[in-house]
Amino acid sequence: GESVGLHLPTLSVQEGDNSIINCAYSNSASDYFIWYKQESGKGPQFIIDIRSNMDKRQGQRVTVLLNKTVKHLSLQIAATQPGDSAVYFCAESRNFNKFYFGSGTKLNVKP
Amino acid sequence: DAGITQSPRYKITETGRQVTLMCHQTWSHSYMFWYRQDLGHGLRLIYYSAAADITDKGEVPDGYVVSRSKTENFPLTLESATRSQTSVYFCASSSDRVQPQHFGDGTRLSIL
Repeated sequence: GESVGLHLPTLSVQEGDNSIINCAYSNSASDYFIWYKQESGKGPQFIIDIRSNMDKRQGQRVTVLLNKTVKHLSLQIAATQPGDSAVYFCAESRNFNKFYFGSGTKLNVKP
Repeated sequence: DAGITQSPRYKITETGRQVTLMCHQTWSHSYMFWYRQDLGHGLRLIYYSAAADITDKGEVPDGYVVSRSKTENFPLTLESATRSQTSVYFCASSSDRVQPQHFGDGTRLSIL
């Protein structure tokens, strides 16, 4: 299968700081990427997506950066809040077919 | 309120038993998916369906059966449960294959 992984399994940040969660992918043909947030006992929740013809996309307090040269994806969360504490997954697909998910990064926000 | 619901939320059964996990969505989404989530593996696709009566295998389909007689329902059946199928199962749906998937809250299945 495809290989989608995360550099840091756990990230701890102070409330109010910015968070950066990283993801590496192995298939250079991947053309669509999604970030999901998963809280304990719940299903993944869509945060933001990006297509391979873009290198940056912004949402509310979140920014996704795509570097196709090094096959790297990152999620930036501005002014991190306690409610941001969760596990974050990246997922990638090629031609919008099957999605492959990374194993996740746990974000701990310290008050 | 529209959404995607899974039932049961928790299930304990024995090896060799048949068990069916239910998934229902109220958005009339064409696409539906079943994933399993295991520690260290992230989410892995079991089966998906592009429309009623159309299903296809994902990454880990062995030991599972699906059907899609109605657009809103996508049940997953373990015909003869094995311990290796102990996992958390998530159902998801999307309006189109280019749209993000919306997930249910999962079924935690334990096979003794």
